[in-house]
Amino acid sequence: EPEVTQTPSHQVTQMGQEVILRCVPISNHLYFYWYRQILGQKVEFLVSFYNNEISEKSEIFDDQFSVERPDGSNFTLKIRSTKLEDSAMYFCASSFRPQSGELFFGEGSRLTVL
Amino acid sequence: ELKVEQNPLFLSMQEGKNYTIYCNYSTTSDRLYWYRQDPGKSLESLFVLLSNGAVKQEGRLMASLDTKARLSTLHITAAVHDLSATYFCAVVRADGLTFGKGTHLIIQP
Repeated sequence: EPEVTQTPSHQVTQMGQEVILRCVPISNHLYFYWYRQILGQKVEFLVSFYNNEISEKSEIFDDQFSVERPDGSNFTLKIRSTKLEDSAMYFCASSFRPQSGELFFGEGSRLTVL
Repeated sequence: ELKVEQNPLFLSMQEGKNYTIYCNYSTTSDRLYWYRQDPGKSLESLFVLLSNGAVKQEGRLMASLDTKARLSTLHITAAVHDLSATYFCAVVRADGLTFGKGTHLIIQP
């Protein structure tokens, strides 16, 4: 069964460092998302991406964050200068047609900022 | 701003019992999702509810959507231990989903 894959599964970094989280969405999907979940809290929307551009972003997604689809298969989230409060589980999701279908989530990348 | 409220946030129940989790949301939406999350794991899609009056059932779980009342319910019938997890409802917000805080469900033998 097709699935969304994410790497790394866990990354530990020092505050101020740049981090790139990678996602391979399901191959025929057209819409891509990043969500985050701080430990024990709810899942929060970060950004959606369609047709090679951001279609919506939340207030969490500030200038420290960026997304890219560099090669037609990967979808990346970059955090330019990590802060302690960026520690969370980051989930990538994809959908073929969100208006009528499911969003499929990856297993998540746990980011720990020290 | 879209608000999604679930209740209860924590539920401990015995095997064999029935219970309902409620999800209220604050603005018009015609799509609602239910997800299950096991500790440390990703989100598993349970139901996608696409229209007013939609009802879907899978095993011991049944979800419904009332868009007029802005309410969805997730009903658990004759609970079993394997259903212990956190359950999230999520409502469409433009292209993204707004999640409720989750209902942490523990089912005890």
